[in-house]
Amino acid sequence: AQSVSQHNHHVILSEAASLELGCNYSYGGTVNLFWYVQYPGQHLQLLLKYFSGDPLVKGIKGFEAEFIKSKFSFNLRKPSVQWSDTAEYFCAVNAQRDDKIIFGKGTRLHILP
Amino acid sequence: GAGVSQSPSNKVTEKGKDVELRCDPISGHTALYWYRQSLGQGLEFLIYFQGNSAPDKSGLPSDRFSAERTGGSVSTLTIQRTQQEDSAVYLCASSLQTRQPQHFGDGTRLSIL
Repeated sequence: AQSVSQHNHHVILSEAASLELGCNYSYGGTVNLFWYVQYPGQHLQLLLKYFSGDPLVKGIKGFEAEFIKSKFSFNLRKPSVQWSDTAEYFCAVNAQRDDKIIFGKGTRLHILP
Repeated sequence: GAGVSQSPSNKVTEKGKDVELRCDPISGHTALYWYRQSLGQGLEFLIYFQGNSAPDKSGLPSDRFSAERTGGSVSTLTIQRTQQEDSAVYLCASSLQTRQPQHFGDGTRLSIL
């Protein structure tokens, strides 16, 4: 069965720090990969996605993620975070032979002003 | 444009009662998913519908949980004989097709007394 692991449950950074949130999945076949973000009081929204092609994917608000197939990873990065990036971030995976999208447990990111 | 609409936004009920949660997906979206979000547990997949195909119920935690989707549009998640462990936020998402980026509703916060 597919599973998604997010290594950090809670991350605290100062503004302008660099960010990397880890995501690993367990499935050996072809996958679609997603990062979603949930800002305080708002619904989940798509940050970026990878289906195929360039493994470095750029999303909204300066976020990017790199798909490393050999490591089963899809880490989220941002070179310089802002206070407004405070939110919960979810990695999600879909195995292309399946229709389900499986989510990780989320990482709460808190940016200190 | 209209997003995914869920109702009620909050529901408080006594243990043992039945509850119905409603989801109105984005028009034209053929795929509809239900998830349960508990603190520290991320998004737990419950069930999904794709067009007129039989739903994938593999994530429903017990036979007290059921869902239907009428006319390929509105969906209702029903929880019978609610238990305290059913307390969570129930999220609905829709997408043009399965495996595509999902659009989430604001969720229904269910509290079982």
